[in-house]
Amino acid sequence: GQQLNQSPQSMFIQEGEDVSMNCTSSSIFNTWLWYKQDPGEGPVLLIALYKAGELTSNGRLTAQFGITRKDSFLNISASIPSDVGIYFCAGRRTSGSRLTFGEGTQLTVNP
Amino acid sequence: DTAVSQTPKYLVTQMGNDKSIKCEQNLGHDTMYWYKQDSKKFLKIMFSYNNKELIINETVPNRFSPKSPDKAHLNLHINSLELGDSAVYFCASSHAAMGPGAEETQYFGPGTRLLVL
Repeated sequence: GQQLNQSPQSMFIQEGEDVSMNCTSSSIFNTWLWYKQDPGEGPVLLIALYKAGELTSNGRLTAQFGITRKDSFLNISASIPSDVGIYFCAGRRTSGSRLTFGEGTQLTVNP
Repeated sequence: DTAVSQTPKYLVTQMGNDKSIKCEQNLGHDTMYWYKQDSKKFLKIMFSYNNKELIINETVPNRFSPKSPDKAHLNLHINSLELGDSAVYFCASSHAAMGPGAEETQYFGPGTRLLVL
């Protein structure tokens, strides 16, 4: 089945640092989504991207839809302890098709 | 108010048993999903229902049978549970495709942690 490669798998950073993670695919996607999963909870949508080259922010989070439509990036600026969790990218190839999720990036923020 | 709720939150059972997980959403969505998250946290879709009709059925054992009595509910019944079924099962819901954006926000439930012994 379709796979999304997400990296890095895990990150250990100090509070205040910036974070970057990305997701790549061998196929073109029309939609890229970024979710965060807190421990013991379900994923929550952070940012949705619909156009190649689109750059969208949500507070300290910024995500970009790669111009090749085969990748997406998520940046977190000035990390804080509550940023801890698993970040998932997800892609959709066409409207109405299923979401495919990346393997997740486990983020740990040390105070 | 809980948007997407699942019961039970934890389920510990013996191999070979039959169990059900229930999901309800009060968001007025017409599409519901079941996902399985394994020990490596990989999320994989299992089923999707739109207006009580099955629209996605990934390659899962036929021991797994979803049932949607109405648009607000999607239950998952599992027969003859196996050790490998141990995972966290997430229910989610969204609007059907009505143009860019409308379908994209899938709201997830809190998950059901299934442990098969």
